[in-house]
Amino acid sequence: KQEVTQIPAALSVPEGENLVLNCSFTDSAIYNLQWFRQDPGKGLTSLLLIQSSQREQTSGRLNASLDKSSGRSTLYIAASQPGDSATYLCAVRGGNQFYFGTGTSLTVIP
Amino acid sequence: EAGVAQSPRYKIIEKRQSVAFWCNPISGHATLYWYQQILGQGPKLLIQFQNNGVVDDSQLPKDRFSAERLKGVDSTLKIQPAKLEDSAVYLCASQDRDGTGELFFGEGSRLTVL
Repeated sequence: KQEVTQIPAALSVPEGENLVLNCSFTDSAIYNLQWFRQDPGKGLTSLLLIQSSQREQTSGRLNASLDKSSGRSTLYIAASQPGDSATYLCAVRGGNQFYFGTGTSLTVIP
Repeated sequence: EAGVAQSPRYKIIEKRQSVAFWCNPISGHATLYWYQQILGQGPKLLIQFQNNGVVDDSQLPKDRFSAERLKGVDSTLKIQPAKLEDSAVYLCASQDRDGTGELFFGEGSRLTVL
């Protein structure tokens, strides 16, 4: 069964810093990987989707990479802002299912 | 493009009562999912529909949970009778026709069982 891990569980950085969030998965047979943002009391907002044939995707200040062979993905956030404070979750699609990590709670300090 | 709609946003009930949640997916999305998210955890799949057929309900507690998607569009998730451990956020998500595209979530329905 696919296991998805996100480390660290929580991260606090000063405003303006560049940061990297990590996602690892145990089974490399995936169709795609998706990064989400979740604000308190809200649903999940899609940030980036990387297909299994891709190495990375970019959207604004966000860049996500995928290394299937090592079972890892990273989400890079450039020039962090207080508005980036949220929980970030990754999900991998294998078979018919999405498998979610438990998320990294990010706090950006003004 | 309208997103995934869910209602109600919040519901408080006593144990052994029943509750129903409604979801309207993005127009044209054939695949619909219901997830349960407990505070501090990632979403856990309850049931997946492809049009009006069930693809996966292996993690749905069928003694108390039921879900339907009669016309392949809207879906309803019901809990009867509710237990204290059912307190969670119930998230609905939809995906485009071939099921390999981006997953879109609604705002969720927060259930508190007293």
